Amino acid sequence: TQLLEQSPQFLSIQEGENLTVYCNSSSVFSSLQWYRQEPGEGPVLLVTVVTGGEVKKLKRLTFQFGDARKDSSLHITAAQTGDTGLYLCAGASWDKVIFGPGTSLSVIP
Amino acid sequence: DSGVTQTPKHLITATGQRVTLRCSPRSGDLSVYWYQQSLDQGLQFLIQYYNGEERAKGNILERFSAQQFPDLHSELNLSSLELGDSALYFCASSHGTVAEAFFGQGTRLTVV
Repeated sequence: TQLLEQSPQFLSIQEGENLTVYCNSSSVFSSLQWYRQEPGEGPVLLVTVVTGGEVKKLKRLTFQFGDARKDSSLHITAAQTGDTGLYLCAGASWDKVIFGPGTSLSVIP
Repeated sequence: DSGVTQTPKHLITATGQRVTLRCSPRSGDLSVYWYQQSLDQGLQFLIQYYNGEERAKGNILERFSAQQFPDLHSELNLSSLELGDSALYFCASSHGTVAEAFFGQGTRLTVV
């Protein structure tokens, strides 16, 4: 069974701080997606990484896919209150997408 | 706006009843996914359809079924409802068989 683990489960930081959240699996995925979800809303796609070792930047967010395509990290620089939400990683294989449990981020002004 | 439309947004029903949730995917997307999200289980993949055919199954109960119609909209049928079926049900669509998924706003189902 493919499983995705995310850490930390909860994170509360001050505005302006940097943070990194992690997504790990024992399985290899063909691609990995990061989503952000706000309460009562559907997850919104942030990025897809496909190649092992790939790094993608989206403004203050930096995403990295592990060399073996089993893990990924999301780094946020100078967090803002608008970054608050549930960050979900999802690994895609040939037939389905598996979601991790998410990291709940709270950025305090 | 993701382009994925789900109806209804909220649904309250009694145990033992049957409900149908509806999803219209983004224009041009052939794949539809159904997910269940509850507080203690996270986002759980239920089932995927691609161009009208079932492509993959996840943790979908036998009481639940889905289909994708020729116009690509999809319906998720939940029957013999139990209190534990109360959750947010999301539909997502993607262009290919497995790719970035775009989610609808979800249907919040409450079973009383």
